[in-house]
Amino acid sequence: DVKVTQSSRYLVKRTGEKVFLECVQDMDHENMFWYRQDPGLGLRLIYFSYDVKMKEKGDIPEGYSVSREKKERFSLILESASTNQTSMYLCASGINYGYTFGSGTRLTVV
Amino acid sequence: GDSVTQMEGPVTLSEEAFLTINCTYTATGYPSLFWYVQYPGEGLQLLLKATKADDKGSNKGFEATYRKETTSFHLEKGSVQVSDSAVYFCALSEPSGSARQLTFGSGTQLTVLP
Repeated sequence: DVKVTQSSRYLVKRTGEKVFLECVQDMDHENMFWYRQDPGLGLRLIYFSYDVKMKEKGDIPEGYSVSREKKERFSLILESASTNQTSMYLCASGINYGYTFGSGTRLTVV
Repeated sequence: GDSVTQMEGPVTLSEEAFLTINCTYTATGYPSLFWYVQYPGEGLQLLLKATKADDKGSNKGFEATYRKETTSFHLEKGSVQVSDSAVYFCALSEPSGSARQLTFGSGTQLTVLP
């Protein structure tokens, strides 16, 4: 089975901090995605990557950046964390259909 | 742009009841349609999918039929169990640019009581 591992289940950070969320997949997938999940809003795409060093903005990229230096790793960066970025962050990888999701990182910004 | 609309929850049913969760979509082309499930404390898992009109996806007793004429993909199960309690997301994927992205509905919380 494909495994998508997110480095932290829970994080608490202070406003203004630079935050790194890490995601690793073990199936050599080209496509990787970062979503945030908020009650009543479902999942919204922040950024995705279709190859090493390639990235594209999703629906809500403001306040975020990403890094994909190796195929298996896709990092989400909050340049200066704010309280409105408190959310559940989900990483996914896959090809064509049926992406595999990680267990999520619940980030709280105080 | 593409969008997915799900019936609002939460939905509470007794064990062995019939389940329907409505899902309709708006897309410019011919999307593939999915149902994902999220159990408490976990990420999303693919439940079933359908890639063209009139296809029926099925898994674990759940079914959904791709209806192009009504732009719908309703999820059904004939007899739910307590273990089906979870959040269910309808999603679509349309070839766009450099990667197939998923567009999700807002999710429907299902609670099944013994």
